Amino acid sequence: EAGVAQSPRYKIIEKRQSVAFWCNPISGHATLYWYQQILGQGPKLLIQFQNNGVVDDSQLPKDRFSAERLKGVDSTLKIQPAKLEDSAVYLCASSFFLPANADTQYFGPGTRLTVL
Amino acid sequence: GDSVTQMEGPVTLSEEACLTINCTYTATGYPSLFWYVQYPGEGLQLLLKATKADDKGSNKGFEATYRKETTSFHLEKGSVQVSDSAVYFCALSSYDKVIFGPGTSLSVIP
Repeated sequence: EAGVAQSPRYKIIEKRQSVAFWCNPISGHATLYWYQQILGQGPKLLIQFQNNGVVDDSQLPKDRFSAERLKGVDSTLKIQPAKLEDSAVYLCASSFFLPANADTQYFGPGTRLTVL
Repeated sequence: GDSVTQMEGPVTLSEEACLTINCTYTATGYPSLFWYVQYPGEGLQLLLKATKADDKGSNKGFEATYRKETTSFHLEKGSVQVSDSAVYFCALSSYDKVIFGPGTSLSVIP
């Protein structure tokens, strides 16, 4: 089966510019996650969708970050405007069920963002 | 709030040495516990998991036991190989939240 797809793989932008990342989860997976992984740290959950509804976005900086999952399939994460501290790898993951079911998350390759 | 603490790395071992990576957690409720691994140039992937106290997860020679009394989920392997060089992340899920530890980098030298 195809894995989680993400694009682009790399992105370099100037601060105050905007950027968007795309994720296509594994077919049939209801739950989709966006994580931010700063170098040397573990992934930090930004937002979690169940189908096209938001389950948790408590750590999403909503003044600059937004995400949507139209039709409950693929998803887009946007940053506008970007700051230097947004430099990180943005990971998308999907799972069949919610974490409460101890379901395995499948991760995409990530998008490495550099903000200059 | 819920949290995961891992031993700091990097850890460097010779091939065939024993490995233990410590992981402790703080959580309300009864979390499920995971070890994910990130090999160089690859994405994170599940290594093993345990869903209740005293469960043992195992895969690829790695083991971890869910210890509720010590709130721990230490990762162990009796004989590491060069191919085990990677970053290992302990994680918990509780009430539909997933929290990762900071990761422990392991380098195995021949």
